[in-house]
Amino acid sequence: EVVLTQSPATLSLSPGERATLSCRASQSVRSYLAWYQQKPGQAPRLLIYDASNRATGIPARFSGSGSGTDFTLTISSLEPEDFAVYYCQHRITWPRTFGPGTKVDTK
Amino acid sequence: QITLKESGPTLVKPTQTLTLTCTFSGFSLSTSGMAVGWIRQPPGKALEWLALIYWDDDKRYSPSLQSRLTITKDTSKNQVVLTMTDMDPVDTGSYYCAHMTLSSGWFNYWGQGTLVTVSS
Repeated sequence: EVVLTQSPATLSLSPGERATLSCRASQSVRSYLAWYQQKPGQAPRLLIYDASNRATGIPARFSGSGSGTDFTLTISSLEPEDFAVYYCQHRITWPRTFGPGTKVDTK
Repeated sequence: QITLKESGPTLVKPTQTLTLTCTFSGFSLSTSGMAVGWIRQPPGKALEWLALIYWDDDKRYSPSLQSRLTITKDTSKNQVVLTMTDMDPVDTGSYYCAHMTLSSGWFNYWGQGTLVTVSS
């Protein structure tokens, strides 16, 4: 089973700042990694798929990079609605595990 | 427009079997490439992938829960059913169903989730 590790656990930033979130896999997942955003009381929403592709309707301030075992989600300038929890997920093998999440909260 | 909605009991007793239904619209699980999966989330904790069923009835399970899970589909009703046996308080959480296609491999559409509490 692929284990995904996310860091930091919590990121405290102000609106307008840049957010950099990390996801590391226990083995190579090639480019088969996605990022989801989840707000309180809501279902997750797909942001980035296959490491660097934005899902439909996702603003350009969200970008993803990486391959193999190290991946990054960058939010170039935080908007108030971006404060949420972010999860990574792979699809290289079964089960398609999720990472533990990074919470982006307001400083 | 693809929508999914979970339904089932909000409270189950320990050792009981949980049966959750995902009713969807906007696609058919008889169409090649379609799939529906289940994901759960204990309160305040991370997402956990549980199971997935493809249009061709291929099924995948989380190895840690495989002995307790069964996923089935009823294409005529546009429903996917997940059963989980021998429920325990640690199984308390929100249960989501989500749509996936074979070509993308990702959950692009999610239900709103249903909260299940396991308590005597």
